[in-house]
Formats: sequence, C-alpha cells, structure tokens
Amino acid sequence: QQQVKQSPQSLIVQKGGISIINCAYENTAFDYFPWYQQFPGKGPALLIAIRPDVSEKKEGRFTISFNKSAKQFSLHIMDSQPGDSATYFCAASLEGYSTLTFGKGTMLLVSP
Amino acid sequence: KAGVTQTPRYLIKTRGQQVTLSCSPISGHRSVSWYQQTPGQGLQFLFEYFSETQRNKGNFPGRFSGRQFSNSRSEMNVSTLELGDSALYLCASSSQSVNTEAFFGQGTRLTVV
Repeated sequence: QQQVKQSPQSLIVQKGGISIINCAYENTAFDYFPWYQQFPGKGPALLIAIRPDVSEKKEGRFTISFNKSAKQFSLHIMDSQPGDSATYFCAASLEGYSTLTFGKGTMLLVSP
Repeated sequence: KAGVTQTPRYLIKTRGQQVTLSCSPISGHRSVSWYQQTPGQGLQFLFEYFSETQRNKGNFPGRFSGRQFSNSRSEMNVSTLELGDSALYLCASSSQSVNTEAFFGQGTRLTVV
C-alpha cells in the first residue's frame, strides 16, 4: 500500500519557469512532511519541510503548500534553473516516529 | 562538521553470500535509519536505531538485520543474498529520534550477481 502518492513521475520545465510537484497522503497521523532532492550518485538532501499547522512555507525559491483537509502538499520551485535538474521526493512521517515514507519521486529536467 | 559516511561505496557479491554495510552518522547524532532504494520500489525504510536500540522496523525479511554501537555507528547485514537485493542502501542520521532533519549519506551500491 503506497501511503504517499507523488506526481508527476517526470517533468520538463524551461529555465525561469515554475516547477510544481504534488503529493497526496492517506494517513492523517502523518505530521511531518519533508521534500528531498537527489542528484545522480548522491544521497537525498533535505530541501524544505513543513508541519500540518502551517499552510505554506517558503525558503528561497522553494515553497511548500500544504492542504490538510485535502491531505495534499506540493513543492513549487520558482525561477527554475538547470542546476535544479534532479529527482525530488516528498516524504511523510508519523507523530512520534522518525521513519520516513517516501513518494516514488519526480525526475525534473530544467531546459536551458 | 563531517557528514554521514557510508562504506563501502560499491560492492559486488554473489547470490547466497552475506554482506555488511557500515554507516558513521554525523557527530552527536544518535538516530540512524537505513533505507533501500531501487528503481521499481523507490525508497523503502529498513530499520531505525536510537541509542543502540532498534526503534522501528520496515517490512523486510529477516535476512536483513542491523545494529548500532555505543558510538552511534551502525551496520546492516544482509544474509543469503538474492538478485533482488541489488540496490542503493542509504543511511540517514538525525540528532533525535523523532521528526527532525534526516541527513543522508551517499549510499552503498550493492550489486548481487
């Protein structure tokens, strides 16, 4: 059972455009939602994270939007750059646990 | 501050053999989690250790085991290797056991032939 569903699987965006990746979860006990960025040959690196008491969090060009009632959250990358080309994973963890349940990932390509 | 260190980076093993992977967390971090990453299944949780105790375990067969030492370094072992065990094994460390930033190592690429 996939508890965190991520879409799209792949995404091509022009330089300067906005990249949007969506995730939906099923378990309402999830209370921590991080996004990770992974380059080939590297481990995932934490980009930004949000908790359910906040509807939006922004760090630089990266913004998480969170909709608790819809059980959805999304990552927006503003002014996308070729250096942002990577695989992005959303994740969630249960209250009281550090175990991360990951989405399947989105391969982002930002064309010059 | 040094990051999470995983050794070795690459391994090739034969079916039926066993393998031990090592993870040194960030200094001061007491929580270590292990994940398996494959193209088909994505990132899947194996187990988590905190202060030498296994706190949580994923849905993997008993051939997968781990341990954590008093210095927080962790090892995972896979016995009787199968072709399907070929994957990138990632270790993540956190300063506490709950809902804090998890920092990943570069992983160990295991190939079973």
